[in-house]
Amino acid sequence: DIQMTQSPSSLSASVGDRVTITCRASQTISSYLNWYQQRPGKAPKLLIYAASSLQSGVPSRFSGSGSGTDFTLTINSLQPEDFATYYCQQSDSIPLTFGGGTKVEIK
Amino acid sequence: QVQLQESGPGLVKPSQTLSLTCSVSGGSISSGSYYWSWIRQPAGKGLEWIGRIYTSGSTNYNPSLKSRVTISVDTSKNQFSLKLSSVTAADTAVYYCARLGGGSYFDYWGQGTLVTVSS
Repeated sequence: DIQMTQSPSSLSASVGDRVTITCRASQTISSYLNWYQQRPGKAPKLLIYAASSLQSGVPSRFSGSGSGTDFTLTINSLQPEDFATYYCQQSDSIPLTFGGGTKVEIK
Repeated sequence: QVQLQESGPGLVKPSQTLSLTCSVSGGSISSGSYYWSWIRQPAGKGLEWIGRIYTSGSTNYNPSLKSRVTISVDTSKNQFSLKLSSVTAADTAVYYCARLGGGSYFDYWGQGTLVTVSS
């Protein structure tokens, strides 16, 4: 199985901050990397697919980059509704696997 | 707009079989080249992919659960289902159904249903 490691596991930030979350794959996955946002009690929501493609309807302050084994999710100008947990997910091979999550909390 | 809705018992006894159904609305489950998946999340923990099914009936399962999982599809009802046998307390989780767009990313999700394994 491909292991996905996210860092940090949690972070505190203020409204307006720029936030960066990283995801590392245990082997190369090309650009088969997706990002999700999960608010408490809700289903995850797709933000970014294929490493850098913004899902329709997702604000442009979210962006993704990377390829191979190292990937980044960036949130520019953090908004109150962005405080949530973020997960990466690889789709290079079966089984599909997720990172452990990064919880973004209010400072 | 595609919508998914999970249904099934919220309480299952240990050693029994967990059965859930995902009803798809807003489009035919057979249209387009989509896989349909189940994912679960224990309370306070991360996401675990269980498996996927194509409308042809072709399936892939997570090896960690493969011996206990069956995913099936009923195109006439626009539904797909999950069966997980020999459950234990470790199977207690919120279970989500989701559409796998582009064969690789989960673009539509159900709201999730909590299944508790307890006697």
